[in-house]
Amino acid sequence: DAGVTQSPTHLIKTRGQQVTLRCSPKSGHDTVSWYQQALGQGPQFIFQYYEEEERQRGNFPDRFSGHQFPNYSSELNVNALLLGDSALYLCASSLRGAAAQQYFGPGTRLTVT
Amino acid sequence: GEDVEQSLFLSVREGDSSVINCTYTDSSSTYLYWYKQEPGAGLQLLTYIFSNMDMKQDQRLTVLLNKKDKHLSLRIADTQTGDSAIYFCAESMSGNTPLVFGKGTRLSVIA
Repeated sequence: DAGVTQSPTHLIKTRGQQVTLRCSPKSGHDTVSWYQQALGQGPQFIFQYYEEEERQRGNFPDRFSGHQFPNYSSELNVNALLLGDSALYLCASSLRGAAAQQYFGPGTRLTVT
Repeated sequence: GEDVEQSLFLSVREGDSSVINCTYTDSSSTYLYWYKQEPGAGLQLLTYIFSNMDMKQDQRLTVLLNKKDKHLSLRIADTQTGDSAIYFCAESMSGNTPLVFGKGTRLSVIA
């Protein structure tokens, strides 16, 4: 049973560029949440997708957008990258309506230069 | 507002017990979690507890919840070098609401 997978593992981008990160949820899960973890900090919630719609959003600007596909996989897009967007981006999957267990992927390390 | 506080560092000797503490402010939190993060890795869910419970034990892990004081602790018995990691406390209002994390406690185990 595959857990949560994310790609790519590492990414280096330049300020002003755009980036797309990908996540495949754990088998049987239908909800995907994205978190940003800056160095030395705890993860911060970006947004959550269920039934291909954004259901909840944290305090992040519109430069952060996402998408969920019919197979429940998800993408996180960040436009006009800033140096401060450098972080570990974590995807978590869960089954809506079930007991509270969000499983995290290994993350994508984004470096903006 | 929501806030989760943890001490940043803890150092213990191999074989001793570790106790990692956490306080939270949101009294409506229903679920409280402990996650483990090893260097360069994602988060591993260790255990969670419902707010109507006082204690949960799972092998070497014991979680204690004092809802009145909004205090959560994680005790690791017989701590091993492989337990060295950052431990995050997190809360949520329901199973589908966002997790709110503390900044993490870095546990160092001395052989």
